Amino acid sequence: DTAVSQTPKYLVTQMGNDKSIKCEQNLGHDTMYWYKQDSKKFLKIMFSYNNKELIINETVPNRFSPKSPDKAHLNLHINSLELGDSAVYFCASSQARNTEAFFGQGTRLTVV
Amino acid sequence: DAKTTQPTSMDCAEGRAANLPCNHSTISGNEYVYWYRQIHSQGPQYIIHGLKNNETNEMASLIITEDRKSSTLILPHATLRDTAVYYCIVRPYSGGYNKLIFGAGTRLAVHP
Repeated sequence: DTAVSQTPKYLVTQMGNDKSIKCEQNLGHDTMYWYKQDSKKFLKIMFSYNNKELIINETVPNRFSPKSPDKAHLNLHINSLELGDSAVYFCASSQARNTEAFFGQGTRLTVV
Repeated sequence: DAKTTQPTSMDCAEGRAANLPCNHSTISGNEYVYWYRQIHSQGPQYIIHGLKNNETNEMASLIITEDRKSSTLILPHATLRDTAVYYCIVRPYSGGYNKLIFGAGTRLAVHP
């Protein structure tokens, strides 16, 4: 069973569209994250949720809105997509805020 | 910005030990050293972490110098599947919510 799963794995869309990426973890963790890996391969944290509460928001544009319906899910909705949003987005989870993080396989978003 | 410095790339022969160095000269007393790796097209994978004592698990060993300003990740018998980018990260144990700050890492190539 996949511990942290993201859908879709690949997403190609046009500028201006709205899209969502879903993330689910079956590890029973209470903290989830979104990271972005840009074309230069640097990984940067975007958001963190602990028990459905937003904990970290790293100056991400308002077009990005995370939604956590429950502890096992953290979805990422992006409005008005721009070319610069093209990247690989990774979801992760951890049990409590200080334990090791488990990452999903990533969603490669391409905005054309 | 990442608080660690790592070589850009390293090579290792299959079956030999891979020793990956990391410099973290500005590490604080409450900060741990974490190692993650990212195999091509996959999400980052936790390897090991430590504070000041040497640590070993089924994947690797972590050697931290007495002054804690540097550390070495050791893969005792590297295999082709260990080819990946290895990230050395320092973060406080309390607080931080797994706000992992990834640098450029070391690209390890294991060859036959």
